[in-house]
Amino acid sequence: GAVVSQHPSRVICKSGTSVKIECRSLDFQATTMFWYRQFPKQSLMLMATSNEGSKATYEQGVEKDKFLINHASLTLSTLTVTSAHPEDSSFYICSANAGADEKLFFGSGTQLSVL
Amino acid sequence: GQNIDQPTEMTATEGAIVQINCTYQTSGFNGLFWYQQHAGEAPTFLSYNVLDGLEEKGRFSSFLSRSKGYSYLLLKELQMKDSASYLCAVSYGNNRLAFGKGNQVVVIP
Repeated sequence: GAVVSQHPSRVICKSGTSVKIECRSLDFQATTMFWYRQFPKQSLMLMATSNEGSKATYEQGVEKDKFLINHASLTLSTLTVTSAHPEDSSFYICSANAGADEKLFFGSGTQLSVL
Repeated sequence: GQNIDQPTEMTATEGAIVQINCTYQTSGFNGLFWYQQHAGEAPTFLSYNVLDGLEEKGRFSSFLSRSKGYSYLLLKELQMKDSASYLCAVSYGNNRLAFGKGNQVVVIP
């Protein structure tokens, strides 16, 4: 299957700092990528749809100024958590669609811990 | 909003069969996915149903009834490595997925 690489896998940072997470499609081009967040024992919640060459589409309740998304190329999308706070601590996962059947391939996820 | 319901946890014995149910109410429907997720890891794809009926793939089968908003995942010949959370997800438009909370399956010897 298609491969989506996500980096870093784990981040521990101080409150107030910004954290950038990268998501790459390794063997296919992705005009659209998706960013999800998952709290312990909760479902994956879609945060935003990242569109190559244009602005991201954010889901209701997600602050676009706090979660900056950049999709500058067909193989890379980045999520920057700005001025992170402890309540932003979560598992962040990116995904991309590699074919016509809407099957999503997921990155390995990033566990963010804000102290 | 999108609503995906799954039972939270079940325990089964190695070698047994388990059925994991999922009901959904979504604003659109372009297919239903089942993913397996081990703790701290990303989900991995198991199955995809877009038409009513049963899809069989090795030890895993998935069923869909669109009129009832219902699906189940059947796991046969359970193995210890099958202990994981099983996520039901519905594609409701523009490739967006709505996920259930996942059903934690614990396999015991």
